[in-house]
Amino acid sequence: GAGVSQSPRYKVAKRGQDVALRCDPISGHVSLFWYQQALGQGPEFLTYFQNEAQLDKSGLPSDRFFAERPEGSVSTLKIQRTQQEDSAVYLCASSLGGLAGEQTQYFGPGTRLLVL
Amino acid sequence: GENVEQHPSTLSVQEGDSAVIKCTYSDSASNYFPWYKQELGKGPQLIIDIRSNVGEKKDQRIAVTLNKTAKHFSLHITETQPEDSAVYFCAVGDSNYQLIWGAGTKLIIKP
Repeated sequence: GAGVSQSPRYKVAKRGQDVALRCDPISGHVSLFWYQQALGQGPEFLTYFQNEAQLDKSGLPSDRFFAERPEGSVSTLKIQRTQQEDSAVYLCASSLGGLAGEQTQYFGPGTRLLVL
Repeated sequence: GENVEQHPSTLSVQEGDSAVIKCTYSDSASNYFPWYKQELGKGPQLIIDIRSNVGEKKDQRIAVTLNKTAKHFSLHITETQPEDSAVYFCAVGDSNYQLIWGAGTKLIIKP
């Protein structure tokens, strides 16, 4: 595709509800990243995939957060039992190379999650 | 670990003037320094990047300078235009995949 796409763009959830956020990276990109961005802050790393392998999940805030990329393209970030502190913009980025490759990351528009 | 500081947090300049945003970092092994522009409701967009074997890079009205000895790099925007108004983020990477981000600078272009 032309760029990274994310859906939904906006999500309102009641506290305790499960949500699933989708990312479609640029076709052929090996690396995929999820970030969390709080209002007025820079993006904070959540997790990294190289193809279908989740190589780093050190940034996931709790075990309520789970990400997958089963076929090495589309990725889903799932948040279980949402809490108000989960309200943020969730950004997905992809890059062409793997660990030692091209590092330019291309971002999607983000999903704005509001937990009431 | 790497620590990135970005200044100023807000910058207001007259249209047509230049804007400069500065970032410092702590890890001398860092070798990749991108700048991103983020407009309201959008994801960050890469505007320019520089690698550690280059001291300066320019792309039309945008330039980035890197001082590896002092561990700082700067974004320069000349002849600012209203469409330059946005939040700008610096980031720092190493031979791995991780990017560490600054806190952002809100650039306001006054007409």
